[in-house]
Amino acid sequence: NAGVTQTPKFQVLKTGQSMTLQCAQDMNHNSMYWYRQDPGMGLRLIYYSASEGTTDKGEVPNGYNVSRLNKREFSLRLESAAPSQTSVYFCASSHETVNYGYTFGSGTRLTVV
Amino acid sequence: DAKTTQPPSMDCAEGRAANLPCNHSTISGNEYVYWYRQIHSQGPQYIIHGLKNNETNEMASLIITEDRKSSTLILPHATLRDTAVYYCIVRVIMNRDDKIIFGKGTRLHILP
Repeated sequence: NAGVTQTPKFQVLKTGQSMTLQCAQDMNHNSMYWYRQDPGMGLRLIYYSASEGTTDKGEVPNGYNVSRLNKREFSLRLESAAPSQTSVYFCASSHETVNYGYTFGSGTRLTVV
Repeated sequence: DAKTTQPPSMDCAEGRAANLPCNHSTISGNEYVYWYRQIHSQGPQYIIHGLKNNETNEMASLIITEDRKSSTLILPHATLRDTAVYYCIVRVIMNRDDKIIFGKGTRLHILP
């Protein structure tokens, strides 16, 4: 039982390059989330998906797109990376009908130069 | 914006109880109080949650005031491994638009 798996773990991009961060969960959770965390700061919600086929903006959606490919997978895409997007990105999942918290992945550390 | 207020940092001696306070004065009747912690740069880890009754699990205890406007997370015998940032969050479960907004949390230092 892997929980929430994020790939890649580390990435360096040049300004203007694009990339997709992958996230998959094996807990049959309905909801999935993408957060970013800048150095010394708390987590900020980028996008979330309450169920397969639906996505909604969070606190800081600009510069990002998401795809809820199926119930297991939720990807985050940077179309034209900027240095301001240097951050650690965390994916999480939850089942809103279950009395447990969110399960987080181990993060993707992205540097844009 | 986060609906909770926490002190930015706290110290606690190893082996003592760590008591982390949280204010959530605007909490609604259907909102639960959740606590998470983040050790170094790992993903946040769920600790405990409650609605209005005190709760205890293998990791911690959660004390919620009768008016539900504040709560305290208690780590009964703190160890060095409990050094982390602790986040107090309010969340509506059984809600299709389920999302949680993190505040800045409390950085807990366990002192040897």
